[in-house]
Amino acid sequence: DGGITQSPKYLFRKEGQNVTLSCEQNLNHDAMYWYRQDPGQGLRLIYYSQIVNDFQKGDIAEGYSVSREKKESFPLTVTSAQKNPTAFYLCASSIGSSGLQETQYFGPGTRLLVL
Amino acid sequence: QQQVKQSPQSLIVQKGGISIINCAYENTAFDYFPWYQQFPGKGPALLIAIRPDVSEKKEGRFTISFNKSAKQFSLHIMDSQPGDSATYFCAAVNTDKLIFGTGTRLQVFP
Repeated sequence: DGGITQSPKYLFRKEGQNVTLSCEQNLNHDAMYWYRQDPGQGLRLIYYSQIVNDFQKGDIAEGYSVSREKKESFPLTVTSAQKNPTAFYLCASSIGSSGLQETQYFGPGTRLLVL
Repeated sequence: QQQVKQSPQSLIVQKGGISIINCAYENTAFDYFPWYQQFPGKGPALLIAIRPDVSEKKEGRFTISFNKSAKQFSLHIMDSQPGDSATYFCAAVNTDKLIFGTGTRLQVFP
């Protein structure tokens, strides 16, 4: 059963704590993306990676970090520098041959809440 | 400018009616315009997309109309059904920029 999995579904962060959101895909896609979704706003691109061991900042990368050590995995760390982390975080992937102009397949999302 | 302006914010349509959602962009470098559909608690899924070399694209009950000179594009849902109730996002893309609109929450009542 191919697809994108994100875990956990809900995540709670204490003040000053770093937390890591997991994203795994078994679609054999080269490109992976992280978005943040806030109520009343569209999705905003945090980071994307078009190939293993390489990634680029999106529009709102400050306070976040990523790694891409494996093709299947693209974890997102929300650092303590992100002052307003409460949001719905979505991971996506695409085949990767045409950059951002490709169909992106989204995971089910992780809702991050600050205690 | 990199904004994509989407309207309306919410839309209520009766079953069988036509739902129309509009988007406008500013940067003429955008050359790919997808629409995504998102159900509550789920990730978005691609619904339909268009490139600026055509003025209209139709897939089933869903049609994108594209006006390149006005830098506007719209989604039309014909014969709207309760199962179409979801949030719809337009987006504008070029080689290194992907900007989503703010979303339209569509509710279709029987």
